[in-house]
Amino acid sequence: DSGVTQTPKHLITATGQRVTLRCSPRSGDLSVYWYQQSLDQGLQFLIHYYNGEERAKGNILERFSAQQFPDLHSELNLSSLELGDSALYFCASSKVGVNTEAFFGQGTRLTVV
Amino acid sequence: DQQVKQNSPSLSVQEGRISILNCDYTNSMFDYFLWYKKYPAEGPTFLISISSIKDKNEDGRFTVFLNKSAKHLSLHIVPSQPGDSAVYFCAASGPSNTGKLIFGQGTTLQVKP
Repeated sequence: DSGVTQTPKHLITATGQRVTLRCSPRSGDLSVYWYQQSLDQGLQFLIHYYNGEERAKGNILERFSAQQFPDLHSELNLSSLELGDSALYFCASSKVGVNTEAFFGQGTRLTVV
Repeated sequence: DQQVKQNSPSLSVQEGRISILNCDYTNSMFDYFLWYKKYPAEGPTFLISISSIKDKNEDGRFTVFLNKSAKHLSLHIVPSQPGDSAVYFCAASGPSNTGKLIFGQGTTLQVKP
């Protein structure tokens, strides 16, 4: 158990809909990252939040947004869903500091039908 | 442009022998490298890391080697065990230490009893 909790584990929704994925980081971790893993692909960095503030953005679509709340949990919002958005979405958290490893949650498998 | 590459999609070794997983990167600004292991339906699990100021880091059965001039790193598992069968991802970060990780595509390791 990494200590990072993601909900829900599975999500099936229709095209055009909007969903929210939730992540609770490890206790004491201020940084939260979101990654997307499509079929047979590596993990693609989406966005990084540190203590409530956006720190870095990757290849995140404009239809996607995220935020980190004062209690440090984070939500990834995906809207106007398309079939190609079907993927595993992982959240990771890490401590402050140089060269620290990130710990990943179990992921949310999103299926858009 | 894939900055981190794992050119071998799969590797099969016999139990007790050495497993060597390879990773190449293109961005000379990367200064921290990590290996993650991933079982099906689980999130990636941190295995071992190495800073660019070192050329070797060892943790039990796992050793990571870094050759900066060749922009190459490798993970050695000795001796390999059936429970090591999983997908292995190498990842790189730096230099701004945003924590953003760039992942390779992964190598599926099968350790045969």
